[in-house]
Amino acid sequence: AQKVTQAQTEISVVEKEDVTLDCVYETRDTTYYLFWYKQPPSGELVFLIRRNSFDEQNEISGRYSWNFQKSTSSFNFTITASQVVDSAVYFCALSEEPGGYQKVTFGTGTKLQVIP
Amino acid sequence: GAVVSQHPSRVICKSGTSVKIECRSLDFQATTMFWYRQFPKQSLMLMATSNEGSKATYEQGVEKDKFLINHASLTLSTLTVTSAHPEDSSFYICSARDLTSGGASNTGELFFGEGSRLTVL
Repeated sequence: AQKVTQAQTEISVVEKEDVTLDCVYETRDTTYYLFWYKQPPSGELVFLIRRNSFDEQNEISGRYSWNFQKSTSSFNFTITASQVVDSAVYFCALSEEPGGYQKVTFGTGTKLQVIP
Repeated sequence: GAVVSQHPSRVICKSGTSVKIECRSLDFQATTMFWYRQFPKQSLMLMATSNEGSKATYEQGVEKDKFLINHASLTLSTLTVTSAHPEDSSFYICSARDLTSGGASNTGELFFGEGSRLTVL
């Protein structure tokens, strides 16, 4: 069975600090997808990134970067120079059969508070 | 990009009444949609997979008669919470996969609705 663990329940940082959100996953499949979503206080889920299991290249998008390490089953998310607008709950998620209709399993989320 | 819309975004009802939540894929067809439930400060838990033209597939522990799902068309799935009680108060989110957006991998991008917050008094 698939499982996603986000050990950090809540993190507080001061604006402009860098912050890394940890994500560790478990799966028996060799083919899977990993996701990060942002959920601001308004509730909607905002898609941030999708990474397939065969692509271990790290990715950078503006102030966001992701570090995928299959050897440790981790998919960590770093926000550089954090801003107040980054305050939200961030979910890491895993899907084992991306080509089909398999469900997405979410981690418990990490609440990030950026203090001005 | 593809958009999934939910309605209503907020609903308050009396205990014992039924509430219907709609999930629409606005610019793509979705043979499969997913319904999630999120309790305060908790993660999203999959409730059921809605299949167009056939019965929904419910996750273990989810009452089929309590949470009725109908996927009548390729762009609409509905979740009806029947005889709602205060413990049904929650944030319900639907998602749909746009299989045309996966590119060469044909994996399909997964899009989420805005969510519907149900409060049962």
